[in-house]
Amino acid sequence: DAGVIQSPRHEVTEMGQEVTLRCKPISGHDYLFWYRQTMMRGLELLIYFNNNVPIDDSGMPEDRFSAKMPNASFSTLKIQPSEPRDSAVYFCASRSSREQYFGPGTRLTVT
Amino acid sequence: GESVGLHLPTLSVQEGDNSIINCAYSNSASDYFIWYKQESGKGPQFIIDIRSNMDKRQGQRVTVLLNKTVKHLSLQIAATQPGDSAVYFCAENPGGRLTGGGNKLTFGTGTQLKVEL
Repeated sequence: DAGVIQSPRHEVTEMGQEVTLRCKPISGHDYLFWYRQTMMRGLELLIYFNNNVPIDDSGMPEDRFSAKMPNASFSTLKIQPSEPRDSAVYFCASRSSREQYFGPGTRLTVT
Repeated sequence: GESVGLHLPTLSVQEGDNSIINCAYSNSASDYFIWYKQESGKGPQFIIDIRSNMDKRQGQRVTVLLNKTVKHLSLQIAATQPGDSAVYFCAENPGGRLTGGGNKLTFGTGTQLKVEL
């Protein structure tokens, strides 16, 4: 298994632009999580899905952030419009019965 | 609010020695704890977990100890190797309603482990 796949690995964009991060979970995993990691705040849960349905989005910082999971093998995290304070590493993780498996992350830089 | 915190931001050990990484948590309702290892440029990787009805669990070269009385969690790594150099995070499931491996995990700030040759 290739593990959790995220794209792009690096994204540099200008303030105000739309950013879309993508995730392919491990096949058969029915939970999917989006996290953000910064030096100041550490690793924070943004939202998680169960069987493609958003269960808890209380960690999403504001309306500029949105996440979708149209099917069991794909999820997106969108930021529109992006701001410099959104610069961070964004991780996707998936889980079936026990541990969460994390992807390699997308390093987002907003200038 | 309640949070998970680590005592030591950086720990340096000699290769072959045992390492102990500590974590304090404040939520008495937490029922599940996990240790993750994160190498530079990679996502966190599961190491070992423990439920609140246990006080010790062993894996390959790693042992997790849970002391609920003082709300303390530790990770012991035996015969530390250069490949163990990474940031280690503890995480807790504070919900009190465990479903599978826990979903709304709260992560600590991390401890950098440096293995000296």
